[in-house]
Amino acid sequence: AQSVAQPEDQVNVAEGNPLTVKCTYSVSGNPYLFWYVQYPNRGLQFLLKYITGDNLVKGSYGFEAEFNKSQTSFHLKKPSALVSDSALYFCAVRDPGTGFQKLVFGTGTRLLVSP
Amino acid sequence: DGGITQSPKYLFRKEGQNVTLSCEQNLNHDAMYWYRQDPGQGLRLIYYSQIVNDFQKGDIAEGYSVSREKKESFPLTVTSAQKNPTAFYLCASSIAPDRGDTGELFFGEGSRLTVL
Repeated sequence: AQSVAQPEDQVNVAEGNPLTVKCTYSVSGNPYLFWYVQYPNRGLQFLLKYITGDNLVKGSYGFEAEFNKSQTSFHLKKPSALVSDSALYFCAVRDPGTGFQKLVFGTGTRLLVSP
Repeated sequence: DGGITQSPKYLFRKEGQNVTLSCEQNLNHDAMYWYRQDPGQGLRLIYYSQIVNDFQKGDIAEGYSVSREKKESFPLTVTSAQKNPTAFYLCASSIAPDRGDTGELFFGEGSRLTVL
């Protein structure tokens, strides 16, 4: 069964500095990987996904993520953080395999960007 | 604009009462899902449905029930059998597993249920 780990409950970064939110995964096949963002009392918003191809994927709001197969990681990055980036971030994985495969979410990482 | 509408946004319930959370989508998606979110636990799948009149249990289906009579609608009933129903509930949809669906989910804004 697939699983996702987000090792940090919270990441603190100053505005203007680069940020990284970590994610590692475990699947039996080639993974589909996703990042979502959630603001307080709101639903999740899609940021980006890796399905195949270039290991560096770019997404919404200036975020990007790098797929590293050997390290089974899919870390979320942004070159310059904004206070408005403060939110809860979820990594998710799907093992396409055969048949219907659900999306499995990590426990989330709270990003706090200070002015 | 297409999207997913959940209602109500906030709901209070007395112990022993059943409540139904509404989820409607106009994205023409085939698959719909219900997740439960608790602090520090991420999202856990309650039920999902790939087509009309068919649905399957997720990881934490006990104490919940669903129906899928229309493609656009996937209501969730939280029954009195659910031991700890206070949570944030999220409805989502996706295109279809057999139509090139990569698994990307589109979420509603959520419903917060509090049991008094």
